[in-house]
Amino acid sequence: KQEVTQIPAALSVPEGENLVLNCSFTDSAIYNLQWFRQDPGKGLTSLLLIQSSQREQTSGRLNASLDKSSGRSTLYIAASQPGDSATYLCAGEYNFNKFYFGSGTKLNVKP
Amino acid sequence: KAGVTQTPRYLIKTRGQQVTLSCSPISGHRSVSWYQQTPGQGLQFLFEYFSETQRNKGNFPGRFSGRQFSNSRSEMNVSTLELGDSALYLCASSLAQTTPRGTEAFFGQGTRLTVV
Repeated sequence: KQEVTQIPAALSVPEGENLVLNCSFTDSAIYNLQWFRQDPGKGLTSLLLIQSSQREQTSGRLNASLDKSSGRSTLYIAASQPGDSATYLCAGEYNFNKFYFGSGTKLNVKP
Repeated sequence: KAGVTQTPRYLIKTRGQQVTLSCSPISGHRSVSWYQQTPGQGLQFLFEYFSETQRNKGNFPGRFSGRQFSNSRSEMNVSTLELGDSALYLCASSLAQTTPRGTEAFFGQGTRLTVV
């Protein structure tokens, strides 16, 4: 059974700090690992997609890595800003457009 | 380029009623999947459609059903609503073809369903 776990569940940091969010998955037969951001009451915004053959992806201040052998992915956020405050979700795709989601990390960046 | 559009954004229904939610995917995307998000269970997969065919189904009762039209728009129906069906329902569209996999999924803003 595919399970995705995210730690920590919540994180509060001062503005400017670099931070790492962790995601682990039980089944290494993953096609993609995708990171999303969700603001309260809103839908999901795609941040980064890492295909199974890739090790990492970067977009601006965000960098995500994928290690299938250990069943882990990390999302690194550099120089955090208050606007980064949101819930961050990782999801493993195991079949066409079928994702298993972690429970998310709620991030609060204090000005 | 228009994103994924879900309608309506908010719904209030009474127990026992049925409801239909709509999802219009990004132009050119033929795969549409549906998810239920609740505080207790998080995001759970309902089903996925590609070219009007259901390819995957999650572990939900038969009261939850869906379909996809030839223009890739999808609808989800929930019959005999229960209080526990109150949730944010999200749909995601993707280019996902038969092969290769590895395409990005884009989500709509969701439909907030409240059952009273």
